[in-house]
Amino acid sequence: ELKVEQNPLFLSMQEGKNYTIYCNYSTTSDRLYWYRQDPGKSLESLFVLLSNGAVKQEGRLMASLDTKARLSTLHITAAVHDLSATYFCAVGETSGSRLTFGEGTQLTVNP
Amino acid sequence: AAGVIQSPRHLIKEKRETATLKCYPIPRHDTVYWYQQGPGQDPQFLISFYEKMQSDKGSIPDRFSAQQFSDYHSELNMSSLELGDSALYFCASSFLAGYEQYFGPGTRLTVT
Repeated sequence: ELKVEQNPLFLSMQEGKNYTIYCNYSTTSDRLYWYRQDPGKSLESLFVLLSNGAVKQEGRLMASLDTKARLSTLHITAAVHDLSATYFCAVGETSGSRLTFGEGTQLTVNP
Repeated sequence: AAGVIQSPRHLIKEKRETATLKCYPIPRHDTVYWYQQGPGQDPQFLISFYEKMQSDKGSIPDRFSAQQFSDYHSELNMSSLELGDSALYFCASSFLAGYEQYFGPGTRLTVT
């Protein structure tokens, strides 16, 4: 059974600081997704990582994938309050398969 | 661009009642997925359909059933509702051969 673990689960940051969220998964997969969710809202796709060594950046967020280590990271640079949300990583074992989500990281960026 | 449509957006039911949630996938998408997200939890996969056939089944209670129709929309039927069924229910769609699932806005079900 595929397991996906995120850490930390709660993250309180000061504006302007950097931090990294980690996502480990238990079985072979080359499909790793990062989503953002605001309270009571839907899942907003941030990044889709499909191969070992993939790195994608959008604004203050950068995601990477190491399939050998079964690890993905979401790096936050110079955090701003608008980044406050819950971030989920999710793994799909094959094309068209279900997604298995991590527990989510609740990020709060304080002024 | 067209997105996944879910209806209703909010639903309040009493215990032991039934509920039907509807999902309209993005045009030309052939696969629909249903997920349940309890308060403070991560989304859990329930069931998926490809070309109107069930393609995968997760932790879906026997009280729930779902199907995909000829126009590719899907319905999740929930009977004998329990308080623990209160959650956000998301539908997502994709091309089976594609790699990204696109999520709808969700239906918030409250069971009282």
